[in-house]
Amino acid sequence: GAGVSQSPSNKVTEKGKDVELRCDPISGHTALYWYRQSLGQGLEFLIYFQGNSAPDKSGLPSDRFSAERTGGSVSTLTIQRTQQEDSAVYLCASSLPVLRGGYTFGSGTRLTVV
Amino acid sequence: SQELEQSPQSLIVQEGKNLTINCTSSKTLYGLYWYKQKYGEGLIFLMMLQKGGEEKSHEKITAKLDEKKQQSSLHITASQPSHAGIYLCGADIGAGGTSYGKLTFGQGTILTVHP
Repeated sequence: GAGVSQSPSNKVTEKGKDVELRCDPISGHTALYWYRQSLGQGLEFLIYFQGNSAPDKSGLPSDRFSAERTGGSVSTLTIQRTQQEDSAVYLCASSLPVLRGGYTFGSGTRLTVV
Repeated sequence: SQELEQSPQSLIVQEGKNLTINCTSSKTLYGLYWYKQKYGEGLIFLMMLQKGGEEKSHEKITAKLDEKKQQSSLHITASQPSHAGIYLCGADIGAGGTSYGKLTFGQGTILTVHP
């Protein structure tokens, strides 16, 4: 596609429910990243996928968070048993293997846990 | 403390004024990226700097990376309401500048431009 597509754009969920956030990167971009942006915070790195290499999960805040990338393209970020502190904007970005042009970000998914 | 410190945290200027936003690190920056974000939208890539002393311009926005590669500044000349938004710096501050892609971001600077 022309850009990085994320869905849904907004999600309101009850505390304790599981949610899935989807990211469709730019075609040909082998690197895919998930970041989280909370009110008053900068961007917090969550996870990084590069081709067929093992993902860098060092930013995931707890074992309730997981992510997959199927076929080297679409990625799903799953949050189990959501908590109110999970409320944030979840941003996905993709890039070419060599980061010369910066990431291209999606518009994000705004998650609200009530 | 933040690995990347941006200053100021917020800035309000009158249209037509010049302004500068700074991004400072205690570590060497291997690749410094400036992004702009409007409310409810994703981040838009502005510029990338890699070499010490490098300076790039796009329209009325100029970004510089100092010689020691530990600080960058973003300067907007003759600001317009369209410049309003959140400006974020992101950098590869990994060991040895591997630039494999994981960026650390500053907390952002909120810019308001009054017409």
